[in-house]
Formats: sequence, C-alpha cells, structure tokens
Amino acid sequence: KNQVEQSPQSLIILEGKNCTLQCNYTVSPFSNLRWYKQDTGRGPVSLTIMTFSENTKSNGRYTATLDADTKQSSLHITASQLSDSASYICVVSAAYSNDYKLSFGAGTTVTVRA
Amino acid sequence: GAVVSQHPSWVICKSGTSVKIECRSLDFQATTMFWYRQFPKQSLMLMATSNEGSKATYEQGVEKDKFLINHASLTLSTLTVTSAHPEDSSFYICSASFRGRAFDTQYFGPGTRLTVL
Repeated sequence: KNQVEQSPQSLIILEGKNCTLQCNYTVSPFSNLRWYKQDTGRGPVSLTIMTFSENTKSNGRYTATLDADTKQSSLHITASQLSDSASYICVVSAAYSNDYKLSFGAGTTVTVRA
Repeated sequence: GAVVSQHPSWVICKSGTSVKIECRSLDFQATTMFWYRQFPKQSLMLMATSNEGSKATYEQGVEKDKFLINHASLTLSTLTVTSAHPEDSSFYICSASFRGRAFDTQYFGPGTRLTVL
C-alpha cells in the first residue's frame, strides 16, 4: 500500500527561526514528490515539485530535499514569518502505465509566533 | 494561470437536504477534475475522478448515489451531496488537471466548508 508519513504532526516556532519538516514514503513506482502549503480553510497551494533525479529545490524561503534511495524528503523553512503558519502537506505521485495516483500525507501544522 | 474556483466557500444546511458545490477552472480547460474530502487534522481523501462528458469514477467506500458528480463541460464540475447528514460535514476540495500537462499536475480550488445541522 502506498503511504506517506509526515513528522512532526505539529510544531511551534518563533518568528525568524528555521524549521524542517520530514516526509517518508513507500509509494512505488515513484513519479514525483510535491510539497503544498494549505492555509486554514483554504485549498493546497504548490510550493515545490521534485522528480527522481532532483535532490534539492528552492522556492524563496522554502527548500525541499529528496533522497529517492531512502524515500525521504524534507521541507526547510528559513527565517519563518507569521504568514508561514499553515499546514504543509507532502504528496507523492505514483506513475502507472496509464494513470497516476496521488498519495497525501496527513500534513504538519506549523504555528509561527511573534 | 491555472486558477480553480469553488462556490460556495461555505454552506450550512439542514439534515436531509441536498447541497450542490461547483468547481470551475477559470483560465484553462480541465479535462479531468477531482473531488476530495478533508476532515479536521487529516489528509485529503480522494472521493472521485471525473472526465468531461463521462461518468465519474468513485473511490472505494464512496457512495456514488449520495455524492453525485457532473462534469458537463471542460470548465465546470459539480458535486451534489444528497440527503446530507451531520457526518457529511467536512471540507470539500476540488482540483483540476488539463491536457498537455502531466496528468498528476493538479490545481486545487479553495475548498468548500459544509456544515450539516
């Protein structure tokens, strides 16, 4: 069964500090991995997408890493801002011959405090 | 580009009534639309996949007679929750993908909060 597990479930950080979120997956055959930011009561917004051959991808203060061998990814938030408070969801895509299937993690809820 | 809207953004209804949620792709033609349900502090759960002009494909455990999906055009899909009950209260999110992009590239709508009293 394809699974995506994220840790921690939630975290609280002070404004200006850095944090790292983890994502482990067992999805196969692997196609790509995406990190989404979901504000409360809103739909997910894509932050990064990485394929098998990519190790690092940045989007502003967000940097995602991927180790396809160990099936692990991380999302690093640098110099956090209050607006970074949200749920961050790891989504892994499995590629089949004629279809794709997305597997969603439960998300990590980040709270940034002043 | 690739903007997806949903209407309404929230709805409160009485138990036993039906509720329709619209999902529109504003600046592209969506060949495929997806409907998800998300309970508090849980991940998105795919309910069904619909292709324009054909019947939706429902995930295991999702009642197709309760959650009616219509994808009548390339820019509009609707989800109707029939005879809604309190346990149907949830956050419903649609997403869309379009021809010419990788099928697994989905653009998500802002979601609709359904509360059934």
